[in-house]
Amino acid sequence: GAGVSQTPSNKVTEKGKYVELRCDPISGHTALYWYRQSLGQGPEFLIYFQGTGAADDSGLPNDRFFAVRPEGSVSTLKIQRTERGDSAVYLCASSFGGHGNTGELFFGEGSRLTVL
Amino acid sequence: LAKTTQPISMDSYEGQEVNITCSHNNIATNDYITWYQQFPSQGPRFIIQGYKTKVTNEVASLFIPADRKSSTLSLPRVSLSDTAVYYCLVGPMDSSYKLIFGSGTRLLVRP
Repeated sequence: GAGVSQTPSNKVTEKGKYVELRCDPISGHTALYWYRQSLGQGPEFLIYFQGTGAADDSGLPNDRFFAVRPEGSVSTLKIQRTERGDSAVYLCASSFGGHGNTGELFFGEGSRLTVL
Repeated sequence: LAKTTQPISMDSYEGQEVNITCSHNNIATNDYITWYQQFPSQGPRFIIQGYKTKVTNEVASLFIPADRKSSTLSLPRVSLSDTAVYYCLVGPMDSSYKLIFGSGTRLLVRP
């Protein structure tokens, strides 16, 4: 498909478990973003990649959250020792980034994480 | 990054024009104003972006006064499918651009 793809669309896990969420951005987009959205709230910035490197990870809530983008395309958000408060929709977005940046981010449909 | 303030919710009826105003008193010289739309169970979708005066596309118009301390998103002749949350965002368009979302405006369009 031509859009941002996120898997899984839904993930139910137990407190304390490890979770990985995957994002496949639009081909050619160098910038990739992770956001988290709780019910009734706007998306909350987590981390931004430009290419393979994390250019801004100031939004990661604590060291249980980690994200990688080893080849500058697909990214994985990793959450260790999940807590009930981690339950949310995790959104991924991509954009052209760099000098071609128009400010338009293209979002996926999100991965809904439920921690029991 | 400049903070934005917009109404929590708005109601309208099909066929009416809807205007959603956003305040951004601390907007910086190099900041742009961008609006996103979000439907339930979907990611936000870009609607329109502007720097000053007026911008129009096939979906909406964006009005920005000379002092740029506010902006108004105008949706002409809304339909039921325009029921969504609308976010106003302000920020620079450079290589480190990241969007900071507020709580948005929940627009309900009634038949």
